[in-house]
Amino acid sequence: AQSVTQLDSQVPVFEEAPVELRCNYSSSVSVYLFWYVQYPNQGLQLLLKYLSGSTLVESINGFEAEFNKSQTSFHLRKPSVHISDTAEYFCAVSELDSSASKIIFGSGTRLSIRP
Amino acid sequence: NAGVMQNPRHLVRRRGQEARLRCSPMKGHSHVYWYRQLPEEGLKFMVYLQKENIIDESGMPKERFSAEFPKEGPSILRIQQVVRGDSAAYFCASSPRTAGANVLTFGAGSRLTVL
Repeated sequence: AQSVTQLDSQVPVFEEAPVELRCNYSSSVSVYLFWYVQYPNQGLQLLLKYLSGSTLVESINGFEAEFNKSQTSFHLRKPSVHISDTAEYFCAVSELDSSASKIIFGSGTRLSIRP
Repeated sequence: NAGVMQNPRHLVRRRGQEARLRCSPMKGHSHVYWYRQLPEEGLKFMVYLQKENIIDESGMPKERFSAEFPKEGPSILRIQQVVRGDSAAYFCASSPRTAGANVLTFGAGSRLTVL
């Protein structure tokens, strides 16, 4: 069975500073990896995903994540954050080639941006 | 396309009552997933259903909780004899096929408060 660990429950940063949200996963089979974002009082929205190919994936709003198979990590980064990035971020994993696949989420990292 | 619709958005119940949460998936989506979100605990998988079938209920508590996704109508998560510990946000998500590489589309959630 797969699992996801997000070590940082909260990450406070100043506006325009860089940020990294850490994610490690565990699985006995190959996986797909995702980052979802949850703004206050809303459901989750996909931020970016890694399915195959280039290990570096990017979102439209400046976030990127790199799949590192040897370290079983999929850390999320942004070189300069904005107030509007304030949200909770969830790393998630699902198994390849499963006929009954589900997505397992980490416990989330709350990103708070200080002006 | 109205997206994933959940209702009610907020539900208050007294201990011992029943709670019914409804989820209408996106048009064309036949796979539904229910998650529970507790403060500081992230999103916990509960159950995965296709039309008229429960595919994976490994995250459902053994007692008091049940889910269905009938041929016609929304998916329903039912909690009998609610207790204070059931207070949480319950999110439904849908996808056109089994999760795998597919992105889940989430509803805005149903927030259950047990008095």
